[in-house]
Amino acid sequence: EAQVTQNPRYLITVTGKKLTVTCSQNMNHEYMSWYRQDPGLGLRQIYYSMNVEVTDKGDVPEGYKVSRKEKRNFPLILESPSPNQTSLYFCASSFYRGNQPQHFGDGTRLSIL
Amino acid sequence: AQTVTQSQPEMSVQEAETVTLSCTYDTSENNYYLFWYKQPPSRQMILVIRQEAYKQQNATENRFSVNFQKAAKSFSLKISDSQLGDTAMYFCAFDYQGAQKLVFGQGTRLTINP
Repeated sequence: EAQVTQNPRYLITVTGKKLTVTCSQNMNHEYMSWYRQDPGLGLRQIYYSMNVEVTDKGDVPEGYKVSRKEKRNFPLILESPSPNQTSLYFCASSFYRGNQPQHFGDGTRLSIL
Repeated sequence: AQTVTQSQPEMSVQEAETVTLSCTYDTSENNYYLFWYKQPPSRQMILVIRQEAYKQQNATENRFSVNFQKAAKSFSLKISDSQLGDTAMYFCAFDYQGAQKLVFGQGTRLTINP
């Protein structure tokens, strides 16, 4: 089954404790992206990747890191999480950008205390 | 920069009624795509319908249809014969050739009442 898999689905943690949200897709997509969803703001892009070893900032990259060592994986790293990073996070992927609709993971709810 | 605006934070209708969700956007691009995504309580992002800007014909998917007004930069979603399972957050989104992201509206929370 074609899918984007995120883990964990829920996480409650404390300020400053490094965490990683994993994202993996099995569709051989070149493009992958991370979004965060906040009430009243919709979804905003954090980082994206056009292919292996090619990543770039989105609209709200502060406090986040990503890597793309393999085509299928695109982890989101919060090295020193803060309460303002409490949010719902989505990973998405598609074939090379253009008119290809994006496939979304099921979301990760992060709470930073 | 591209922007998408959904002016209705919440809507509520009775089951079997027809409901229209509004979306406006701003862009200088000519070749672009518009989407409606549904997010039920399970949090999944489900693509409902998609419209290419170069197509004059409005897209339709079963009970879901759009009213695409290119000159007015308007892209509304009509849900006919609404069902309880249509209860969800709905996001309008914009994309264009060469873009690096989807641009989302703020969302409309739709409740279908029995």
